[in-house]
Order: sequence, then structure tokens, then C-alpha cells
Amino acid sequence: KAGVTQTPRYLIKTRGQQVTLSCSPISGHRSVSWYQQTPGQGLQFLFEYFSETQRNKGNFPGRFSGRQFSNSRSEMNVSTLELGDSALYLCASSFPGTYNEQFFGPGTRLTVL
Amino acid sequence: AQRVTQPEKLLSVFKGAPVELKCNYSYSGSPELFWYVQYSRQRLQLLLRHISRESIKGFTADLNKGETSFHLKKPFAQEEDSAMYYCALSGSSNTGKLIFGQGTTLQVKP
Repeated sequence: KAGVTQTPRYLIKTRGQQVTLSCSPISGHRSVSWYQQTPGQGLQFLFEYFSETQRNKGNFPGRFSGRQFSNSRSEMNVSTLELGDSALYLCASSFPGTYNEQFFGPGTRLTVL
Repeated sequence: AQRVTQPEKLLSVFKGAPVELKCNYSYSGSPELFWYVQYSRQRLQLLLRHISRESIKGFTADLNKGETSFHLKKPFAQEEDSAMYYCALSGSSNTGKLIFGQGTTLQVKP
């Protein structure tokens, strides 16, 4: 089975721009979770989608949003980028019933200049 | 508040020595606890979960609700165990939300 894929792998943006990151889960997985990883804050939960619905949301401003499509692929969007949004963004997918046994993608490294 | 604390940023041991990576948590209900590991240039992956009560790659972890701890142990460290280890907590089995500790780098010296 192919693993979780994320595109793009690297992104450089400037403050004020917006960005969209994509995540393709493992086939058959319907839950997709997103995390932000920074040296200072570590791994922080952004949100989780299941069957195209956001089920859970972390403590991030409204500039961070996401969605999930009928094929379980998910995107996250960050609008009005700030320098502090520079981070590694990880997505993870899981099989129904094993939502915490998460399979992680390689991440998208976002740099905001 | 839900919180996971890993007090050591770095743990350095010699090959063959016992290893204990500490994890303490704060949660008011009945959490699920996990250990995730990230080897160099690899993805974050699940190592073990307290519900399974299994040993993976020689590692075990016992949930101690009284001390709110979930320490990861291995009796004899191997060089290939060198990696970043994250303890994680979930308050529910029905959502994909994990709360991670800051991680501990395990360095096993030859």
C-alpha cells in the first residue's frame, strides 16, 4: 500500500500571501489529521476530518482552515501568512475504528519570508 | 488541561545499557497513550500503544494512572534505537486528535 503523500514538499511564501497544502491518505483511510511542527512548540494538532466533516479542531486562528473531499484527500489552507507560520506541516491518516493509530506523511516544509 | 510532558530533550546511553524515556501526562478522564518514533530521515510512526500491552522492538510501556506516567523502557539499547521519541495522548478513541510531548532524542553510543 502506498503511504500518505503530501504535496508540495517545500514551499516558500511571503507574509500576507495564502497557501494550500495537500494530503492524500492511505487507500481506505477516511480520517485525516493535520499537525504543525515547530522547534519551539513541537507537534500541535490543527484539525481532523472524517467523511468530509471537520470533527475536531485545535487551538489555531481562523486563518487556518481545511477541507476533505469525497475521496478522503484533504487540503489545508493558511491565509494572510505570518512569519510564525513557518513550520513543517504533517498530515496523518487512519483507518475507521483506529483513529489514533495514525500514519504520517513526510510533511510540507513551509517557509514564510 | 490536556498535556504531555517529556522532561528529557536528550537521553544518551551506551549500547547494551537499559533505557527509560519518561512521559507524564495530565488528563481528567481515561486517556489513550502512545509512543511514536521518528528515525533519521524517516516519517513519524507509531511504536506502541498502551491498550495493546505489547512489546515492539524490545520496547515496553506501562500506563501508571496513579502517577500519570507512561514511561518507555528497553532493557538493552541497540544503536538502531537512536531516534526521536514522542509520547502522545488521546482523550477519545473516536477522533484523530493526538496531543504530543516535546519529544526525547535517544542517542545510543557504540
